[in-house]
Amino acid sequence: AQSVTQLGSHVSVSEGALVLLRCNYSSSVPPYLFWYVQYPNQGLQLLLKYTTGATLVKGINGFEAEFKKSETSFHLTKPSAHMSDAAEYFCAVRTGTASKLTFGTGTRLQVTL
Amino acid sequence: GAGVSQSPRYKVAKRGQDVALRCDPISGHVSLFWYQQALGQGPEFLTYFQNEAQLDKSGLPSDRFFAERPEGSVSTLKIQRTQQEDSAVYLCASSSPSLLAGVADTQYFGPGTRLTVL
Repeated sequence: AQSVTQLGSHVSVSEGALVLLRCNYSSSVPPYLFWYVQYPNQGLQLLLKYTTGATLVKGINGFEAEFKKSETSFHLTKPSAHMSDAAEYFCAVRTGTASKLTFGTGTRLQVTL
Repeated sequence: GAGVSQSPRYKVAKRGQDVALRCDPISGHVSLFWYQQALGQGPEFLTYFQNEAQLDKSGLPSDRFFAERPEGSVSTLKIQRTQQEDSAVYLCASSSPSLLAGVADTQYFGPGTRLTVL
């Protein structure tokens, strides 16, 4: 069985500050890992994904995440927050190349002036 | 098409009514997924199709939930005798196999259908 834990349901940062959203996973086999962003009343948009290869993954809008097998983590970071980054962020895990995603409960990012 | 579309975007049903939610995947996408997202929660898997075959329905919460994709394109999620606990956003996603070995395909999500059962 696979599972995802996102530490912190709400994170607030100032504009221009570092964004760090935490994700830990549990999987009995090598996982595929994803970060999605959800804006109000919209579907989920893929930010980035880790499948194989380089453990530091760069995504859209300046976000990146690092896969750390020893820590079973896949934390999402962005060096400088922008007001437009305010949204709900979901970490997800999957095993196999074409199967269901298991999501965490989400982290709501608030960006203040 | 340009993306995954879902209809209706909002649905209000009285308890006990049947509802049908439609998903139009991205043209040519082989795989189609349904997820249920309760308020304040992450999406939870309901069922998965590869073309017209329903390969996994382990997430359907009860036999009141039924999904079909008869021609391998459009899919319908039907909920019979709706209950208040069925109130949620129902998300559809589609994907196509990655051309790269060992690389997971990306699931593209529609905007969802918000179901409210009174």
